[in-house]
Amino acid sequence: ETGVTQSPTHLIKTRGQQVTLRCSSQSGHNTVSWYQQALGQGPQFIFQYYREEENGRGNFPPRFSGLQFPNYSSELNVNALELDDSALYLCASRATGGRDGYTFGSGTRLTVV
Amino acid sequence: TQLLEQSPQFLSIQEGENLTVYCNSSSVFSSLQWYRQEPGEGPVLLVTVVTGGEVKKLKRLTFQFGDARKDSSLHITAAQPGDTGLYLCAGGSNYKLTFGKGTLLTVNP
Repeated sequence: ETGVTQSPTHLIKTRGQQVTLRCSSQSGHNTVSWYQQALGQGPQFIFQYYREEENGRGNFPPRFSGLQFPNYSSELNVNALELDDSALYLCASRATGGRDGYTFGSGTRLTVV
Repeated sequence: TQLLEQSPQFLSIQEGENLTVYCNSSSVFSSLQWYRQEPGEGPVLLVTVVTGGEVKKLKRLTFQFGDARKDSSLHITAAQPGDTGLYLCAGGSNYKLTFGKGTLLTVNP
């Protein structure tokens, strides 16, 4: 399988709710990262998973959590949604160890009302 | 905290013109990558540069990495409407990319 696929493409949630975003990484890419991109901003690093364990985290609170599965899929979970969580959430994968760039998915547009 | 500053933030030019966008940082990165992002899509990798002073060409696009590996530039020759998009630079470290805010380029026919 080629490319990175994210679902859903759009989502509307109410403040205080929980959300799970899904990503299917490119085959052979065992490193996956999640980014948050607010309107008019560059993507901000949330965390990275390698071999199903978190091995790097950005400046995001613990209510942002993730999972990575052996079949190159992963999840981003956000609890207690806040209005400021409204953003485009991007999943990116790459082969471990290389200096090649990441392959990004098209993202999930989350709106919190 | 590593920061990347991109300039200009917005650029609107006519088809056929040349342009340069800049990416500057006070920190050294192990690599620097340029991405192009269209509305509603994720960033698409254009190039990765890793060696100070490195220059890479991709058709009409020329990328340069500064000698000190803290800054980079992207030069587009004879811009076309299809070049329109958000150009993002990103510094690579051990486990993450640090992005600038991007340069929004509009090429008018």
